[in-house]
Amino acid sequence: KAGVTQTPRYLIKTRGQQVTLSCSPISGHRSVSWYQQTPGQGLQFLFEYFSETQRNKGNFPGRFSGRQFSNSRSEMNVSTLELGDSALYLCASSLAAIPFSYEQYFGPGTRLTVT
Amino acid sequence: GQQVMQIPQYQHVQEGEDFTTYCNSSTTLSNIQWYKQRPGGHPVFLIQLVKSGEVKKQKRLTFQFGEAKKNSSLHITATQTTDVGTYFCAGPNTGTASKLTFGTGTRLQVTL
Repeated sequence: KAGVTQTPRYLIKTRGQQVTLSCSPISGHRSVSWYQQTPGQGLQFLFEYFSETQRNKGNFPGRFSGRQFSNSRSEMNVSTLELGDSALYLCASSLAAIPFSYEQYFGPGTRLTVT
Repeated sequence: GQQVMQIPQYQHVQEGEDFTTYCNSSTTLSNIQWYKQRPGGHPVFLIQLVKSGEVKKQKRLTFQFGEAKKNSSLHITATQTTDVGTYFCAGPNTGTASKLTFGTGTRLQVTL
């Protein structure tokens, strides 16, 4: 079974621009979560989607948004990029119908650098 | 909000020595999950504990969930160089399970 895939793997953007990251979960997984990982803040939860609905959201500003499509693929968007948004963005998929009640499978991540 | 701390932040051991990382949550957890992230890699699921006081073993790894479901530990017996990486615990708070909080992580370095 193919794992979680994320595109692009690397991205360089300029402050003020916006960016869209994509995640394809493992086939059959309907829950997709997004995380931001930085050396200073560690792994922080952004949001979780299940069957095209955002079920849970972390403590990030409204510049961070996401969506999930009917095939469970998910995208996250960051608008008006700031230098502090430079991070590894990880997507994880799960079979969990109940949020976070089951193991999550992570993708390789998208390394975003904002200059 | 919920905070999950891990200690130590970093540990360097000689191959063959034992290693333990401790995870403490400020709130009760409905379950605790452990992940390992190799340098340059992404987190990989190791195990999930659900019951109070639960202990699970995976070869040289022993995982424990505290009685109050607010703390957990991971113990590795006779470390090997393949154990190198950062170990994270993660747990949703009970009730709404509105988000999954990851611990601060423990980076393990193993040398020959």
